[in-house]
Amino acid sequence: DAGVIQSPRHEVTEMGQEVTLRCKPISGHNSLFWYRQTMMRGLELLIYFNNNVPIDDSGMPEDRFSAKMPNASFSTLKIQPSEPRDSAVYFCASSSTGTGKETQYFGPGTRLLVL
Amino acid sequence: AQKITQTQPGMFVQEKEAVTLDCTYDTSDPSYGLFWYKQPSSGEMIFLIYQGSYDQQNATEGRYSLNFQKARKSANLVISASQLGDSAMYFCAVAGSARQLTFGSGTQLTVLP
Repeated sequence: DAGVIQSPRHEVTEMGQEVTLRCKPISGHNSLFWYRQTMMRGLELLIYFNNNVPIDDSGMPEDRFSAKMPNASFSTLKIQPSEPRDSAVYFCASSSTGTGKETQYFGPGTRLLVL
Repeated sequence: AQKITQTQPGMFVQEKEAVTLDCTYDTSDPSYGLFWYKQPSSGEMIFLIYQGSYDQQNATEGRYSLNFQKARKSANLVISASQLGDSAMYFCAVAGSARQLTFGSGTQLTVLP
C-alpha cells in the first residue's frame, strides 16, 4: 500500500517567490494534517482537514500561508511570498478518524530552503 | 491545551540491551491517545506504537512497549534488545479530542556497538 506522498522532496527558492507543496494522503483516510519542523520550534501543526474541510488553521503562521484540499486525495500548502524564516521541513500526515485509534501516518516531508 | 515533556535530550545504550525513553504528558481531554514516532537521520517520521487512555493493558509492538502510568501521566517507551538501526530521534506525542498531535522535543538515541 502506498503511504502518504509528498512533492517535491526538496525545494530551494529565493525570498519572495511562491512555493507550493503537495500531498496525497493514504487512500481511505479522511483527515489530513500539515506540520512544520524546525530546530527552534520542533514539530508544530499548521492546519488540519477533516473530510476535505479545514477544521483548525490556528497554526498557520500568517496570511502568506494558505492550504487547500480540493478532494480527498490531494492537498496543497502554499507560501506566497516566501521568506528565509519559512525554511523548514514540511510534513503531511493522514489518518482515518472515527476508528478510535486514529494513528497519523507521515509522508517523507518536503525540505524547503528559502534563500 | 496539551503538552509533552521529554526530559532526555540524548541517550546512549549498548547494542542488545534495553532502553527506556521518558515521556510525561498533560492534557485536559478525558479521552486521548499517546504515540511514539521514530525519526532517523534520513528525516522521515515513522509511527512506532499507540496507547489509548482507556486501554487497560500496556501497548506492545514487537521490540517496542509502552509503559503507561495514567496516574503519573507518563508514557515511557521501552525498546528491548537494541539494534544499531534504532539510533534515531524519538518523539512522544499526544492527541486529544482536537485530533492534532502535540509533540515533545524528542530524545536522540544512540546505540553503541
